[in-house]
Amino acid sequence: GAVVSQHPSRVICKSGTSVKIECRSLDFQATTMFWYRQFPKQSLMLMATSNEGSKATYEQGVEKDKFLINHASLTLSTLTVTSAHPEDSSFYICSARVRATEAFFGQGTRLTVV
Amino acid sequence: RKEVEQDPGPFNVPEGATVAFNCTYSNSASQSFFWYRQDCRKEPKLLMSVYSSGNEDGRFTAQLNRASQYISLLIRDSKLSDSATYLCAVNDAGGFKTIFGAGTRLFVKA
Repeated sequence: GAVVSQHPSRVICKSGTSVKIECRSLDFQATTMFWYRQFPKQSLMLMATSNEGSKATYEQGVEKDKFLINHASLTLSTLTVTSAHPEDSSFYICSARVRATEAFFGQGTRLTVV
Repeated sequence: RKEVEQDPGPFNVPEGATVAFNCTYSNSASQSFFWYRQDCRKEPKLLMSVYSSGNEDGRFTAQLNRASQYISLLIRDSKLSDSATYLCAVNDAGGFKTIFGAGTRLFVKA
């Protein structure tokens, strides 16, 4: 399957700081990238959908000013968690796909805010 | 009602057993369907796509029932290594986003 690389895999940050997570499609051009969050023993929650060159579409209840998404190219999307708080600690996963096909996931980023 | 629903389980089965998971979706115009496998603290990995005619990959068989709006996954001859969470996924009508079920946990024991 296609390769999606997500970086960093783990990050610990202090409360109030911002964290940027990168998601790259390595061997294909992704028309759409998705950002999910997963709390322990819970399901993947879609946070936002982003298409290259346009603003991200956020799911209901997700603060767009807190979770900044940039999709500058067909191979790169970034998620910035601004002014992080302990309740933002979670597993963040990106996925990418070409048109309406299956999605391929990055390795995920485990964020811990202390 | 959730867009995609699954029985969370867990399913505890012995090695060699056959186990089936179902997943229902609410939007009748949904286009594409998939099963993913997620191991603990890892990202989901695509197991198989689900086609209208049904499809098989080794011990795994996936089926789609559009009239009843559900998809199923059958695992035959379960192995210890099949222990994981199985997620169904549905691309919405416009194909704009992929929605996942909450996942069904499977434990295969010796």
